[in-house]
Amino acid sequence: GAGVSQSPSNKVTEKGKDVELRCDPISGHTALYWYRQRLGQGLEFLIYFQGNSAPDKSGLPSDRFSAERTGESVSTLTIQRTQQEDSAVYLCASSLGSAGSQETQYFGPGTRLLVL
Amino acid sequence: AQSVSQHNHHVILSEAASLELGCNYSYGGTVNLFWYVQYPGQHLQLLLKYFSGDPLVKGIKGFEAEFIKSKFSFNLRKPSVQWSDTAEYFCAVNAGNNRKLIWGLGTSLAVNP
Repeated sequence: GAGVSQSPSNKVTEKGKDVELRCDPISGHTALYWYRQRLGQGLEFLIYFQGNSAPDKSGLPSDRFSAERTGESVSTLTIQRTQQEDSAVYLCASSLGSAGSQETQYFGPGTRLLVL
Repeated sequence: AQSVSQHNHHVILSEAASLELGCNYSYGGTVNLFWYVQYPGQHLQLLLKYFSGDPLVKGIKGFEAEFIKSKFSFNLRKPSVQWSDTAEYFCAVNAGNNRKLIWGLGTSLAVNP
């Protein structure tokens, strides 16, 4: 079956513009996660969805960042008024959702965002 | 705050050498521990994980890791590496029922044929 897919694979934008990043999880996975990896740093958790609700959004760095999920499927991460420090690889992962924190998270290829 | 430390940032080995990559975490309660690998041009994928039971866990491609609670460690090992093991290796932890993973900075492994 298909894995986690993300689009676009690369995005170059100008400082101050808004961007939307999309994630399509594995079919049937009710849990979905967003992480980001800035150059030279480890992955940072951003937000977790269970179904369409987000029980943990503690990693969103500012109110410029928001995410939604619809139909227990696709998720969109939106960054408003992008800043150069937002440049990073944004990774999406999904998991079954029924076995809690022990579940394997399956990762997509990421979206590489560059803010000029 | 929880954190994960990976001691080796870059490792270079010859084929057939033994590998041990260190991972330490800071959290006093129940943890779930993961090693992920990213081969060149590919997605992150799970190598192995530990959440309970036998502290020596075996994963794909001959990798294993040992959870030592008293040392807050979860080191990754492989007795004999191959060129195809060249990749970036990440240790990650989540605490108790918390789903969010806390990640180390990763270790870049290069295996020379």
